[in-house]
Amino acid sequence: KQEVTQIPAALSVPEGENLVLNCSFTDSAIYNLQWFRQDPGKGLTSLLLIQSSQREQTSGRLNASLDKSSGRSTLYIAASQPGDSATYLCAVHPNSGYALNFGKGTSLLVTP
Amino acid sequence: SQTIHQWPATLVQPVGSPLSLECTVEGTSNPNLYWYRQAAGRGLQLLFYSVGIGQISSEVPQNLSASRPQDRQFILSSKKLLLSDSGFYLCAWSTGAYEQYFGPGTRLTVT
Repeated sequence: KQEVTQIPAALSVPEGENLVLNCSFTDSAIYNLQWFRQDPGKGLTSLLLIQSSQREQTSGRLNASLDKSSGRSTLYIAASQPGDSATYLCAVHPNSGYALNFGKGTSLLVTP
Repeated sequence: SQTIHQWPATLVQPVGSPLSLECTVEGTSNPNLYWYRQAAGRGLQLLFYSVGIGQISSEVPQNLSASRPQDRQFILSSKKLLLSDSGFYLCAWSTGAYEQYFGPGTRLTVT
């Protein structure tokens, strides 16, 4: 069974810092990996999707990398802002089936 | 552009009462549709998915059921709610096995 782990569970940084969120998964037979953002009481917003054949994806200040062989992905946020405060979720799509396997998320707080 | 709607946004129901949550998608045809549950302190768990009208697959055995009466409508139901059914229910859609897009969610509290 695919296990997805996100470290750290919570992170607090001052505004302007660059930061890295980590995601690891136990089964490297994945189709793609998706990073989401969730604000309190809200649904999930898709940030980046990395196909299994890709090494990284970038969107604005966000950069996600994927090392499938080692079962790891990172989400890099440059020049953090208070508006980046949210929970960030990593989800892995296996090669077979439709279920996304989610980590429990990293709760990020960016202080002014 | 594609839009996904869920209602109601919040719901408080007594134990043993029925449940009906609705999800609709606009701006796409023949999407894959999903129901997830997010319980406090736990990750998101896929409950049901559908690849077409009338086609429902269950990932977790429980007292919930799902139906897809129309191409872009997905309904989550229960005949008798349990306390353990409380949680945040999220509907999502995708085209094939690609990127999944989530709705705003329904917060269900069973009392």
